[in-house]
Amino acid sequence: EPEVTQTPSHQVTQMGQEVILRCVPISNHLYFYWYRQILGQKVEFLVSFYNNEISEKSEIFDDQFSVERPDGSNFTLKIRSTKLEDSAMYFCAREGQKGDEQYFGPGTRLTVT
Amino acid sequence: GENVEQHPSTLSVQEGDSAVIKCTYSDSASNYFPWYKQELGKGPQLIIDIRSNVGEKKDQRIAVTLNKTAKHFSLHITETQPEDSAVYFCAASMYSSASKIIFGSGTRLSIRP
Repeated sequence: EPEVTQTPSHQVTQMGQEVILRCVPISNHLYFYWYRQILGQKVEFLVSFYNNEISEKSEIFDDQFSVERPDGSNFTLKIRSTKLEDSAMYFCAREGQKGDEQYFGPGTRLTVT
Repeated sequence: GENVEQHPSTLSVQEGDSAVIKCTYSDSASNYFPWYKQELGKGPQLIIDIRSNVGEKKDQRIAVTLNKTAKHFSLHITETQPEDSAVYFCAASMYSSASKIIFGSGTRLSIRP
C-alpha cells in the first residue's frame, strides 16, 4: 500500500495548458516533497513544503510551478503553462518517523503534447 | 551543491549470486544515505538507509556500507532472486526534515535465471 496516493495516475495535456497534480497523504504528515523523473533519467528534487510554506526549491521549480495545500489535506503541484519538456513522472513524497526518510507515492505520468 | 555518482549503470548477475552497486558523493555535509528500488511504472521504494554515525547496516539479504572519509557508499544484495530485478538508486541528503534528497543516476539490475 502506497504511503501517499497521487491523482491522476496519468495526465495528458496540450502545451500551454495548466495542470494540477494531487497528492493525498494516508496519515497526517507535515513535510511534503515533489520530485520529477524524466523517462529513463534520475529522480530530481523540485520542492519541499512544510507548514503551508515552501522550505526549499530547486532551479527546476521556476515561476511556472506552484504548490499549495488548499484544504489542509491534499497537497497540489500546479504547472501554469506546460511545455513539452515538462513531460515526466511526478512523485510526491512524505517524511518518515525519523524525519530524514522520504516515502514516495506511485507517481503521476504527465504527457505534454 | 551535492552530486551523487553511481555505477554501474547496468548489472546482470546469475540468480543466487551477489550484486554490488557503488556510489560516491561530493558534499561532506551529507549524512543520510538512502537506497531506493524502482520497479517498472512505480514510485521509488525505500529499501534501506544508513546514517553517517555507522559504517555498515544489514537487513536480511541487503547490506549497505559507508566510508565517510572516502565519500563512498555501497549496496550489497546477496543470494539474488528474480524479484530483485529493478532499477536501484542511491541518494544522499543532510540529516534534517525538509531536506532534499539527491539521487544517483540509477543501476538497472537484471537477475538471470
